[in-house]
Amino acid sequence: AQSVAQPEDQVNVAEGNPLTVKCTYSVSGNPYLFWYVQYPNRGLQFLLKYITGDNLVKGSYGFEAEFNKSQTSFHLKKPSALVSDSALYFCAVSPGGYGGSQGNLIFGKGTKLSVKP
Amino acid sequence: DAGVIQSPRHEVTEMGQEVTLRCKPISGHDYLFWYRQTMMRGLELLIYFNNNVPIDDSGMPEDRFSAKMPNASFSTLKIQPSEPRDSAVYFCASSSRGRADTQYFGPGTRLTVL
Repeated sequence: AQSVAQPEDQVNVAEGNPLTVKCTYSVSGNPYLFWYVQYPNRGLQFLLKYITGDNLVKGSYGFEAEFNKSQTSFHLKKPSALVSDSALYFCAVSPGGYGGSQGNLIFGKGTKLSVKP
Repeated sequence: DAGVIQSPRHEVTEMGQEVTLRCKPISGHDYLFWYRQTMMRGLELLIYFNNNVPIDDSGMPEDRFSAKMPNASFSTLKIQPSEPRDSAVYFCASSSRGRADTQYFGPGTRLTVL
């Protein structure tokens, strides 16, 4: 079965420290990979995506993610966390991706990031 | 671009009443998605359309739920009759195959069924 796993329900980081939010996937083909962020009482906002090419993808607000095909992972990272980064983060995958997209996304269950001053 | 528009933003109704949620996707997008989000179940895909045609409705909880997309710029999600367990935030999202399936979400409708 195709799936996305975010193994941590919550990640706690001190402001100024680097952060990592983990994501692994299990889909066939060459998938597109996404990260979304959800602030309280808001809809999900697109952060970044991997389609093909360079394994390191840079996105909004200083976030980046590294695609690792052998480990089927797409971890979200930021060198220096801000209190304002505190939110719910979702990893998602487009099954089939390049050449085989079905149009939908499979979302992980989300990871709550808490950045303390 | 105005983004995905949903209405109403908040809806409070009593059990047994009909509820209709509305969505206007981003112009030019050919996919439209309806999601439900609760604390217990997280984000769930209910149904999605491609070019106004339902592609997958396997996530629709039961026959009380129905969705339509009469044209490319409008979709509705209807619950009849509503029950307290339907209380959730309902999101609409749209995307275009030409942009690698990136979905853009609306602000959501917070539904409370008393």
